[in-house]
Amino acid sequence: ETGVTQSPTHLIKTRGQQVTLRCSSQSGHNTVSWYQQALGQGPQFIFQYYREEENGRGNFPPRFSGLQFPNYSSELNVNALELDDSALYLCASSLFGVNEQFFGPGTRLTVL
Amino acid sequence: QQQVKQSPQSLIVQKGGISIINCAYENTAFDYFPWYQQFPGKGPALLIAIRPDVSEKKEGRFTISFNKSAKQFSLHIMDSQPGDSATYFCAAENAGNMLTFGGGTRLMVKP
Repeated sequence: ETGVTQSPTHLIKTRGQQVTLRCSSQSGHNTVSWYQQALGQGPQFIFQYYREEENGRGNFPPRFSGLQFPNYSSELNVNALELDDSALYLCASSLFGVNEQFFGPGTRLTVL
Repeated sequence: QQQVKQSPQSLIVQKGGISIINCAYENTAFDYFPWYQQFPGKGPALLIAIRPDVSEKKEGRFTISFNKSAKQFSLHIMDSQPGDSATYFCAAENAGNMLTFGGGTRLMVKP
């Protein structure tokens, strides 16, 4: 069984740029959720994708957007990067309707 | 407002001791309460979870105690080991599968 994988591991961008982060869900899972974890804090829910559509969103602006593909993998896109977007971005996969969410190792984004 | 408050922020325990981390929530719509363990540079790993119709759940050295009327739950780590040194997060989930996390507890177990 393959766990949740994310790419890239680390990324450095400058303010105003755009970034795309990728996630492959665990085998058998059809739902992907994205979280932002600032240094020293708990993860914050960004949004969830199921059946290739957004299925819930946290308190994040529209410049945070996502996609889910037919193979259940997902992308997180962030436009017009701000310094405060520097964080660990975590992807979690699950089976829709089942509570357990399993996290990937994250992508560390640094915005300069 | 959906919030989960976690305490303490940091905890130092001697090897073999009991580590206790507490969480409190506000939203009674939460119906699933997991605990995650996170090592530096890694993603959170699901440790143990409980539903509000159960007052206690034990898995190995890890026990969750749940008090529905007080809207509080706690993690007990028995016989704490240096390898347990990590950051622990409580969380709460509603039917929408959105996890709300506490602020985390950095646990250090001294040999």
